[in-house]
Amino acid sequence: EDQVTQSPEALRLQEGESSSLNCSYTVSGLRGLFWYRQDPGKGPEFLFTLYSAGEEKEKERLKATLTKKESFLHITAPKPEDSATYLCAVQALGFDGGATNKLIFGTGTLLAVQP
Amino acid sequence: DAMVIQNPRYQVTQFGKPVTLSCSQTLNHNVMYWYQQKSSQAPKLLFHYYDKDFNNEADTPDNFQSRRPNTSFCFLDIRSPGLGDAAMYLCATSHRLVADTQYFGPGTRLTVL
Repeated sequence: EDQVTQSPEALRLQEGESSSLNCSYTVSGLRGLFWYRQDPGKGPEFLFTLYSAGEEKEKERLKATLTKKESFLHITAPKPEDSATYLCAVQALGFDGGATNKLIFGTGTLLAVQP
Repeated sequence: DAMVIQNPRYQVTQFGKPVTLSCSQTLNHNVMYWYQQKSSQAPKLLFHYYDKDFNNEADTPDNFQSRRPNTSFCFLDIRSPGLGDAAMYLCATSHRLVADTQYFGPGTRLTVL
């Protein structure tokens, strides 16, 4: 069964303290891995899409990397405004070999950055 | 800016009283999705439209229906809301059906009294 697991569930950092969030996945065939940021009471905001192992994407203080089993979201020198829930989702090959559009979400990492 | 818009942002309805949530997009995307997200849970896909083709997830209750009158608009109808339907409802769009980023709207928070 396709599965996405995010860790840790919650993370508290001091401003400037770099860290990484993990997204491990077990899918029949990866078609894409997506990172989103979600603020309380709002819809997920798109951050990155990764398609193949070895791929990296970077935006301001965030960098996403992908291996064949997991993805990391690295946060360098975080600021309080980076506090949010970070969601990872994958799109996988369907059981018949065709891709399904359904995103399989992890339950997210709640990040709190204290000044 | 191109975007996904949801109205209203907050909706209060009574138990059993039909309610309609609205989504519009200026991205000109082919695919529109409706998700349900309950507190501290991952979004759960209810159904999607690829152009005019409707695809219902197997575990979506019959109480939930959807309409897409044109490319830009999509509606979520809840025929007889129960207390368990209280949630955030998210609309998303993508250009392609597979291997493509889904862009989400701000969501509609539904309260059922």
